[in-house]
Amino acid sequence: SYVLTQPPSVSVVPGETARITCGGNNIRSKSVHWYQQKPGQAPVLVIYYDSDRPSGIPERFSGSNSGNTATLTINRVGAGDEADYFCQVWESSSDRGVFGGGTKLTVL
Amino acid sequence: EVQLVQSGAEVREPGESLKISCKASGYSFHTYWIGWVRQMPGKGLEWMGIIHPVDSDTRYSPSFQGQVTISVDNFVKTAYLQWSSLKASDTAMYYCARRSTSPAPLDYWGQGTLVTVSS
Repeated sequence: SYVLTQPPSVSVVPGETARITCGGNNIRSKSVHWYQQKPGQAPVLVIYYDSDRPSGIPERFSGSNSGNTATLTINRVGAGDEADYFCQVWESSSDRGVFGGGTKLTVL
Repeated sequence: EVQLVQSGAEVREPGESLKISCKASGYSFHTYWIGWVRQMPGKGLEWMGIIHPVDSDTRYSPSFQGQVTISVDNFVKTAYLQWSSLKASDTAMYYCARRSTSPAPLDYWGQGTLVTVSS
């Protein structure tokens, strides 16, 4: 089955840019979705179809997908962005979902 | 307003059965798949399976195939996740979420149902 690999943690100073990667074999051929989960809350979609942003999600959030790596970028990071972030794709042949292991974003 | 409202927290003993629910409102129920996601304490998200309300077409993760049953009742716009014999390792938070046609995202999520299995 398809495997998505994320770094367990990313740390960033307030105001700087956070980049969270999601690795997968030829992931550029898939549509990647990103979810933010704050403690005690349900996940929230922040990026879909690699780089689209749902209404209500700040423009500071962006995404890209190339080669074997998809990336979630958060500009001008603030304390409110501290959360776990998960990437997700669908396996083409089986239509089964796959999540990355998640990345904990810490704002120092 | 799109809403997925899940049933409340449950406590069961090992070997017992359980069925939790996810009631949809605010959109055309027949247009979207409903998926289930597990999150064990302190861990990440695990995709369990997904069902389409029109024909009950269901896809399971190999990890959960045979361990749970996903079903739907169109009349009450509700999806279900059930176990016939719970184990302590089933202790987790369970989320439902809706999806349009693949490879669309899980765009709306329920609030989660905490299932605790303990003797």
